[in-house]
Amino acid sequence: GAVVSQHPSRVICKSGTSVKIECRSLDFQATTMFWYRQFPKKSLMLMATSNEGSKATYEQGVEKDKFLINHASLTLSTLTVTSAHPEDSSFYICSADSLAGAYNEQFFGPGTRLTVL
Amino acid sequence: GQSLEQPSEVTAVEGAIVQINCTYQTSGFYGLSWYQQHDGGAPTFLSYNALDGLEETGRFSSFLSRSDSYGYLLLQELQMKDSASYFCAPNAGNMLTFGGGTRLMVKP
Repeated sequence: GAVVSQHPSRVICKSGTSVKIECRSLDFQATTMFWYRQFPKKSLMLMATSNEGSKATYEQGVEKDKFLINHASLTLSTLTVTSAHPEDSSFYICSADSLAGAYNEQFFGPGTRLTVL
Repeated sequence: GQSLEQPSEVTAVEGAIVQINCTYQTSGFYGLSWYQQHDGGAPTFLSYNALDGLEETGRFSSFLSRSDSYGYLLLQELQMKDSASYFCAPNAGNMLTFGGGTRLMVKP
């Protein structure tokens, strides 16, 4: 099956630093990747849609200068949280679109737990 | 606008049957997906209904009624490992909108 990895799985950083999270599709090419944010026991909130070779599309209320997304290849998208603050602490999950099946299924990475001190 | 409603919590015993309902309002509707997420884990795909009717996959079945903007996930022969959050997610093209999720607790 399609596998999506995320790195790192956990990161703790000081306020004001920047953190980069990588999302990779390991055995398929993903023209579209999605970045979500999830608070404890809450739903997944779509932050942005990342298309290979073009600018990401951000959802309303998501600061594009704060959450930089780069989709440089068909297997890698990165999310950089710039000048992180404690309120940015969250579970960040990426997913990749699979065009292989008929179900428009998204394959999710294992998530990255970000804690900003 | 867009809206999604599903129960926030459901409790059932092992071996029982549980139905998790979902009503939605969304533009550009293609179909309804269901995902399972265990605490601290990634969501995993369970099923997708593009057409009205019932789709069965092992112990899990999913139903869609487009005219009623309604669907449900049916879990049979519940097992302890089924304790998780279940999300219905309307598809609009290749984009998913997740509801608040239903936290299912299976008790012995």
